[in-house]
Amino acid sequence: DQQVKQNSPSLSVQEGRISILNCDYTNSMFDYFLWYKKYPAEGPTFLISISSIKDKNEDGRFTVFLNKSAKHLSLHIVPSQPGDSAVYFCAAREYGNKLVFGAGTILRVKS
Amino acid sequence: DADVTQTPRNRITKTGKRIMLECSQTKGHDRMYWYRQDPGLGLRLIYYSFDVKDINKGEISDGYSVSRQAQAKFSLSLESAIPNQTALYFCATSDPDPSGDNEQFFGPGTRLTVL
Repeated sequence: DQQVKQNSPSLSVQEGRISILNCDYTNSMFDYFLWYKKYPAEGPTFLISISSIKDKNEDGRFTVFLNKSAKHLSLHIVPSQPGDSAVYFCAAREYGNKLVFGAGTILRVKS
Repeated sequence: DADVTQTPRNRITKTGKRIMLECSQTKGHDRMYWYRQDPGLGLRLIYYSFDVKDINKGEISDGYSVSRQAQAKFSLSLESAIPNQTALYFCATSDPDPSGDNEQFFGPGTRLTVL
C-alpha cells in the first residue's frame, strides 16, 4: 500500500498561470516532505521541502503548503514557465532518514 | 563534473546474466542509496548504506545485492537478471542531518533492459 500518493498522473497548464500539484500521505510519523523535479534523461533534483511543524514554505515561484489534519500537501508554481515542464515527485521522510516517494505527476506548461 | 555519476548509462542484457551497476560520488557524503523507477510507481528504495560498514535492505531488495567499496562508491548487482527488473535505476547520496530534511542528490540514472 502506497504511503505517498500523487493521484494526478499529469497536469497541463498555460504559461503564466498557476500550477498546483497535489500529494497525499498516510503515515502521520513523516517529519519532512520534499518535492523533486525530474527532466528526461536526468536524475531527480531537489526543489523545496517543508517540515511537518510548518504549514507553508516559499522559495521564489515555488510554495509548498502542508495540511497535517488532512495529510495533504501541495506545490504551487506561480507563474508557470515552459521550463517547469517536468515530472514532479513528492517525497516524505520517515524514521531512519529514508525517503518514500510518490508515483510522480507530469507537468506540461504550454506557451 | 557531476557530483554523482553512474555507469553504465544504458544496458541491455539477457535473462540469467549477472549485471553490476556502479555509482560514484564526489560530494563526500556518507549516505548512499539505490532506487528503481517504474512507470506509475515512482522511485522505490532497493538498498541503502549510511556508512561503509552499514548496509540495509530497502522496500524491494529481493533479487539485488550491493557492495559499498568505499565512502564514494556503492554498486548494485543483479545476480541473475529477470525481465521484471527492467527499469530505470538511480543512485543517490545525502549528508546526515537529523535536523534537516535529508535532501538527496541523484545520479543521472541507468536504463536497464532485461530481455
